[in-house]
Amino acid sequence: RKEVEQDPGPFNVPEGATVAFNCTYSNSASQSFFWYRQDCRKEPKLLMSVYSSGNEDGRFTAQLNRASQYISLLIRDSKLSDSATYLCVVRSFNDYKLSFGAGTTVTVRA
Amino acid sequence: DVKVTQSSRYLVKRTGEKVFLECVQDMDHENMFWYRQDPGLGLRLIYFSYDVKMKEKGDIPEGYSVSREKKERFSLILESASTNQTSMYLCASSAPPGNEQFFGPGTRLTVL
Repeated sequence: RKEVEQDPGPFNVPEGATVAFNCTYSNSASQSFFWYRQDCRKEPKLLMSVYSSGNEDGRFTAQLNRASQYISLLIRDSKLSDSATYLCVVRSFNDYKLSFGAGTTVTVRA
Repeated sequence: DVKVTQSSRYLVKRTGEKVFLECVQDMDHENMFWYRQDPGLGLRLIYFSYDVKMKEKGDIPEGYSVSREKKERFSLILESASTNQTSMYLCASSAPPGNEQFFGPGTRLTVL
């Protein structure tokens, strides 16, 4: 079983729509959680960290559910520039390594 | 502005060739990482280094080796390239482990 699993999508949404997707992780010792964004043919970049209480960064909201071992990302008022692949990333306590999901692709259309 | 650079964006090699991929970061980070990224599989860690001359195997080290002689430079070596090593290779660096990783632009390696 993969450590981090994501629905690959693609999620095709019109501009202005809200889109949300989850990722699940298998290691209950996972301690830190992140969403990275990867544009086509580009490197991944950190979008936001995910905190236990949930957090917002502008139009982006991340939630963590430890009991069910999933994290979510919600994008409000989608822009064309939000089109990208979103990578779910987790880290176990005291571990150098990050475990990456395969990504969820979002395409926002005009 | 933080920067991680990789020696090549595209590389084509033949089976059995020795391949060197170089990564340089200018952020004085202790930790550096090599990943490969394949469709449907995500990023998989090959090796990482938490200090000069220190290295640890990641999840898929077979067929690869690494070298870190200077803090800013981390090299990935394919001793004898094989077709199943055709992939996108991404280098990353971070300050404390588990902190944000900064990625280079990637090297798309094709082994014929």
